[in-house]
Amino acid sequence: DAKTTQPNSMESNEEEPVHLPCNHSTISGTDYIHWYRQLPSQGPEYVIHGLTSNVNNRMASLAIAEDRKSSTLILHRATLRDAAVYYCITLLFQGAQKLVFGQGTRLTINP
Amino acid sequence: DAGVTQSPTHLIKTRGQQVTLRCSPISGHKSVSWYQQVLGQGPQFIFQYYEKEERGRGNFPDRFSARQFPNYSSELNVNALLLGDSALYLCASRRDWSTNEKLFFGSGTQLSVL
Repeated sequence: DAKTTQPNSMESNEEEPVHLPCNHSTISGTDYIHWYRQLPSQGPEYVIHGLTSNVNNRMASLAIAEDRKSSTLILHRATLRDAAVYYCITLLFQGAQKLVFGQGTRLTINP
Repeated sequence: DAGVTQSPTHLIKTRGQQVTLRCSPISGHKSVSWYQQVLGQGPQFIFQYYEKEERGRGNFPDRFSARQFPNYSSELNVNALLLGDSALYLCASRRDWSTNEKLFFGSGTQLSVL
């Protein structure tokens, strides 16, 4: 699985968009990009995943660079409940379920 | 529907003791994985079971073992506890084998080794 690099922390204001970057320069053509987040005192929670095209769901959007060496998780309108540690993970599509978590980005939302 | 449930939520043990942690996956999920999360770090993969067979193992010593039962619930056992085993132990389940299936995590068991 490719190594990912994320900023240690980011800060934003409530009701503003948040862009969380992730670099995965060693990603291979068959690696998926997954995002999970971990709220305080809880287990990680799935956010979104994609391969090449940008993806949208009710929680967030995932923008994947054309060369796939980076991606950005977009929270369109942050709320206080979005304060969490966000993990960017690349995962080889071969049946393995092992998620390799890095340090993640600690997102703080100001009211 | 109930999510992934883990028991107990908190546990205190002393060095050298043994501990068993339990996990019940979401109904219909056949795959269970275990992760260890030390304070301030991301979770680290320990084991993965699918249809009662071990399908993956992380870089953990043989003191760590696990099993999956016919009802797909799982137990994680740790023998000869060390202070460094103090961590949050997370269980996650998935419906099947595909990596496009998202993992559902429980809230974890907080283990403290004194």
